[in-house]
Amino acid sequence: QKEVEQNSGPLSVPEGAIASLNCTYSDRVSQSFFWYRQYSGKSPELIMSIYSNGDKEDGRFTAQLNKASQYVSLLIRDSQPSDSATYLCAETNTGNQFYFGTGTSLTVIP
Amino acid sequence: DTEVTQTPKHLVMGMTNKKSLKCEQHMGHRAMYWYKQKAKKPPELMFVYSYEKLSINESVPSRFSPECPNSSLLNLHLHALQPEDSALYLCASSPPSTSLFHEQYFGPGTRLTVT
Repeated sequence: QKEVEQNSGPLSVPEGAIASLNCTYSDRVSQSFFWYRQYSGKSPELIMSIYSNGDKEDGRFTAQLNKASQYVSLLIRDSQPSDSATYLCAETNTGNQFYFGTGTSLTVIP
Repeated sequence: DTEVTQTPKHLVMGMTNKKSLKCEQHMGHRAMYWYKQKAKKPPELMFVYSYEKLSINESVPSRFSPECPNSSLLNLHLHALQPEDSALYLCASSPPSTSLFHEQYFGPGTRLTVT
């Protein structure tokens, strides 16, 4: 079982809709979680980090963490075509290990 | 300065060549990382330096040799590579933290082709 599982998609949403990206993890000592956005041919860009249960909002992005259920999600409100990219979730644990998920490809249709 | 820079952007090398990739940051970050990324795959961790000391080597073949001359600079020396080593090589850095892996900021990468 992979440490971090993501639905590889592709996920398509119409412009203006909410895109929901999900990630589950198996490591019970997971500590911190990160969402990265990667455009084709470019390097990953950090969007959000989340460390405690609940929601964290930054502009159109909301990260949600539920440690009991071992999932972390990213919501993108008012999706724009420029949000079309691959989204990678990542987690690190108290043992100083770090795992990327396989990524979810998002396409926002104008 | 709020970015990680990498040079060169592109590199083509033969299997007998020796080359080096360079990464630089001036954000006061004390952890630096090398990743390898193949098409449509997530980045794979290769090496981690913390406070200029090698903390993690993910069983990377010896034809890849990292070096951290100072807190701002990270090199990756390449020698006798194989065609399957062709990939995007990413450098990242992270601010001081109690965790070895905090928020990582990536450079633009070096696209390496081994012929």
